[in-house]
Amino acid sequence: KNEVEQSPQNLTAQEGEFITINCSYSVGISALHWLQQHPGGGIVSLFMLSSGKKKHGRLIATINIQEKHSSLHITASHPRDSAVYICAVPLYSGGGADGLTFGKGTHLIIQP
Amino acid sequence: GAGVSQTPSNKVTEKGKYVELRCDPISGHTALYWYRQSLGQGPEFLIYFQGTGAADDSGLPNDRFFAVRPEGSVSTLKIQRTERGDSAVYLCASSLISVGGTGELFFGEGSRLTVL
Repeated sequence: KNEVEQSPQNLTAQEGEFITINCSYSVGISALHWLQQHPGGGIVSLFMLSSGKKKHGRLIATINIQEKHSSLHITASHPRDSAVYICAVPLYSGGGADGLTFGKGTHLIIQP
Repeated sequence: GAGVSQTPSNKVTEKGKYVELRCDPISGHTALYWYRQSLGQGPEFLIYFQGTGAADDSGLPNDRFFAVRPEGSVSTLKIQRTERGDSAVYLCASSLISVGGTGELFFGEGSRLTVL
């Protein structure tokens, strides 16, 4: 069964700073998900990636399958980026019909 | 509808009562997931449906929890004899194909259950 660890748990930064959130998992996967959850709000899928790098606006996600590690980067951070960022991977290796297991999330606060 | 819809958005009940939570996934999405999120924690997997069948129910905490999806669309999560520890936000998500097959997930806003 896959285990996910995220770091840091909490991160406070100033507007404009470059942000990095890390995710490590224990078992080989078909794809990793990065999700965003605003306080009191629903969860939005940011990225789903199985190799390399993906970019969407100021967000960049990378994954190293051999190292079982992924990072989420935010460039030119803005107060509206303040949210909980969650990494999720399949519960079991090999894909197929299964659910996700989630990290505990990184609580990001961007101060103006 | 345009997104995943969950009802009720809030439910307050007394210990020992029966509760039903409903999820209406995005039209055409065959994969449907139920998760539970306690305060300050990441979501916890409960059950996964592919079509009408529960493909993986390994996350259901005990036999008080049951979920159905009789026509392969709307799903209902049923909790019997509720306990205070069941208080959480229950999240539903759907995707076109399973996450194991790299399907992107779309989440509902959740149903907040409070057991007094």
